[in-house]
Amino acid sequence: DIQMTQSPSFVSASVGDRVTITCRASQGVKNWLAWYQVKPGKAPRLLIYAASSLQSGVPSRFSGSGYGTDFSLTISSLRPEDFATYYCQQATSFPFTFGPGTKVEI
Amino acid sequence: QVQLVESGGDVVQPGRSLRLSCTASGIIFGDYAMHWVRQAPGKGLEWVAIIWFDGTIKYYGDSVRGRFTISRDNSKNTLSLQMNDVRAEDTALYFCASGLPNYEGYFLDFWGQGTLVTVSS
Repeated sequence: DIQMTQSPSFVSASVGDRVTITCRASQGVKNWLAWYQVKPGKAPRLLIYAASSLQSGVPSRFSGSGYGTDFSLTISSLRPEDFATYYCQQATSFPFTFGPGTKVEI
Repeated sequence: QVQLVESGGDVVQPGRSLRLSCTASGIIFGDYAMHWVRQAPGKGLEWVAIIWFDGTIKYYGDSVRGRFTISRDNSKNTLSLQMNDVRAEDTALYFCASGLPNYEGYFLDFWGQGTLVTVSS
């Protein structure tokens, strides 16, 4: 199975900050990588798919990059509604796997 | 708009069975691959299973393979997860999600709010 790691595990940030989260795969996944936002009590939300494609309706302050084993999610200017936990997911081989998550907190 | 509504979560004893359902609206259900994902209390997301749009192909996560079965009824816009021989570690909030059409359905586009399964004696 492909193992996904994320760093950091926690980010303490303020409104307006630029935040970057990284995700690493234990083997190459090409661009079969997605990012999700999860808030307590709410349905998870797809932010980025195919490593860098912005899902419809997602604000442009979110961006993704990377290929192969190393990926990143950047929030260019944090808004209050962005405080959440973010997960990467590889979709190149079964079973699909998620990273352990990065919690962005105030 | 798209709605996915999970149901069937309950408190169940170890070794017993439980069946979860997910009813879709706002999409042509039969066009989409569908997934189950779970989140144990205080833990991260864990991918559980996928089923092809026509139900012909299914894959499972390592921890549930051989115990859980994913299925669908496109005539009823319903996705199911049959959980057999449940264990304490199956305790989680279970989400259903539709696959993003352009990429084989492998990315999880729309999600439900989840249904809670608690395995306890």
